[in-house]
Formats: sequence, C-alpha cells, structure tokens
Amino acid sequence: QVTLRESGPALVKPTQTLTLTCTFSGFSLSTSGMCVSWIRQPPGKALEWLALIDWDDDKYYSTSLKTRLTISKDTSKNQVVLTMTNMDPVDTATYYCARILKSAVAGYYFDYWGQGTLVTVSS
Amino acid sequence: DIQMTQSPSSLSASVGDRVTITCRASQSISSYLNWYQQKPGKAPKLLIYAASSLQSGVPSRFSGSGSGTDFTLTISSLQPEDFATYYCQQSYSTALTFGPGTKVDIK
Repeated sequence: QVTLRESGPALVKPTQTLTLTCTFSGFSLSTSGMCVSWIRQPPGKALEWLALIDWDDDKYYSTSLKTRLTISKDTSKNQVVLTMTNMDPVDTATYYCARILKSAVAGYYFDYWGQGTLVTVSS
Repeated sequence: DIQMTQSPSSLSASVGDRVTITCRASQSISSYLNWYQQKPGKAPKLLIYAASSLQSGVPSRFSGSGSGTDFTLTISSLQPEDFATYYCQQSYSTALTFGPGTKVDIK
C-alpha cells in the first residue's frame, strides 16, 4: 500500500525559508521509474507543479521558481525534502507531495498523492 | 514552458449527462497528457494517463482521447460523485504543467 505524508510548518514569516518533508511508504525511490514530486495549490486556485526527483537522483524544477527551490531525497529514510527560500504571502498554499511513475510510453504521471499541508505565509 | 488551456472553465450538468472537457497544449505533446479529478478539500486523483489509458480502479464511464495538441476527457454518464474539478497535465517536457481546471457542478 502506497502512502505519502507531508510535514512542515503551518505558518512561516515573509523572507523565511520553508522546509517540507514528504515521508512515504509502499515503494522505494531507488527503483527505476519511481519519482517523488511537489505540487502546490493556493486557496481556490489551480495546481502548480514545483519540483521532482527521480530514482537516479535527477532533479527538475518549475521554471518560474527554480531559483528558490531545492529538492533532495534520503532513500534510507523514505523521505523527500523540499526547501523554498524567500517566502512571500503569495506562496500561501496547500503543498502536496505525490509519487510519479515515469515510463518512456506514458511520461510522468502522479498516481499517489499525500493529503497536503496548508502553509500560510504571514508576519 | 508548455502552456495548457482547458475549456470550458466551468459547466453545469445533470446526472446522466454526457460531459466533455477539452485540454489544449501550446505545442505538440504527443500523448503525454494525464487527467485528474479533485474534490473540495481533497488531493487530486489520477483518472487517465498517456491520453487514453484508464487508471486502475477508475470507472469505465471516464475516457480520454487525443494526441498532439488537442485532448478530451469524456464522462459518458455523469454520476453524483463526479461533481468535481478536473485538471489536465502534460509530461512531454520535464517542466511539468497543469491546466487551469474545469469545474463540473450540478445543474
């Protein structure tokens, strides 16, 4: 059974760095084709993809946010960490982590999602 | 980045209706297109991957089609549990992008 759970602060101040942890079970991030990704959703708005890390430790970032994002993994702990620097109130959103399966035929698709964690940016 | 658009942005339909949602990519993405359903307060759920492959456990009333730049998600007979927001997502580029969503509500 695949599960993912996001953890991190519910409230951060402007200019601070946000650190979120995705703890997963039911799969190994060292298995070929496995990836973990972060996605966010501001209240009432659409989904926005942020970053992904794959089984080979390749990392991909949103073009608009890549200067602020860092994604890393600890395979032994089944965790993926996302840091986002210089937080702003517009970054207030629910942050999701999700498993991605990657294949040559189907590309990248998100097949399991965590429940999400709401992060509010306010002084 | 590849831009995704969806139409309509919202629609009202009745139980039993056939519903079609369109997704368009700003450039050809072959069949690297996925569809998700999201209900309020919940995480998205994968419905369709690779444009037309039904995810395991998803009812057969959902279907996807298209390739290149134009794609459709069809619900053959809308059920009460299908009222939700639907998103498309491309993975042709590793700069993954989602569409803006289509909200389906009750007429």
